[in-house]
Amino acid sequence: GAGVSQTPSNKVTEKGKYVELRCDPISGHTALYWYRQSLGQGPEFLIYFQGTGAADDSGLPNDRFFAVRPEGSVSTLKIQRTERGDSAVYLCASSREGNNEQFFGPGTRLTVL
Amino acid sequence: KQEVTQIPAALSVPEGENLVLNCSFTDSAIYNLQWFRQDPGKGLTSLLLIQSSQREQTSGRLNASLDKSSGRSTLYIAASQPGDSATYLCAVSLIITGANSKLTFGKGITLSVRP
Repeated sequence: GAGVSQTPSNKVTEKGKYVELRCDPISGHTALYWYRQSLGQGPEFLIYFQGTGAADDSGLPNDRFFAVRPEGSVSTLKIQRTERGDSAVYLCASSREGNNEQFFGPGTRLTVL
Repeated sequence: KQEVTQIPAALSVPEGENLVLNCSFTDSAIYNLQWFRQDPGKGLTSLLLIQSSQREQTSGRLNASLDKSSGRSTLYIAASQPGDSATYLCAVSLIITGANSKLTFGKGITLSVRP
């Protein structure tokens, strides 16, 4: 079956602009996660959805970051007033109910100029 | 706060060698541990998942072991091949939050297998 997909694969924006990153989880996976990976580092947790609600948003760095999952499937990560330090690869993962094996998408590489 | 360490950061071996990649974590109250492979510029591919009640998992030439009490896991790769060259990351989830909880990752070990 289809894996986790993310769009766009690359996004270049200017400092101060607003961006949206999209994640399509594996069909039937109720849990969805966003992570951020900087060069040479492991992924760092941002937010986790169980269904439509954010069950854990403790990893969001500040209030410029927001994510939604209105119908319990596709999720959008939104970043306002982007800064150069936001440049990273944003990874999305999903997992089945009651099973924490997480499956990752290819990521969106965000570059803020 | 859970910390995951993978040492060394990079490893280069000749083709055919059996090798062990190490992972250590500070909080032994884990729910499970997952090993991933990441190719340059790509996402993460899940290799093996070990539940906290298990001691090891095997898939093909890969074997992962877990020792919760000592806070360690190892990924054993048998008869390494150039195609195994990639970055290998381990990640743990905590028992406090249970199933479907966030993963804490190490920085990964970049493996190069020389033909």
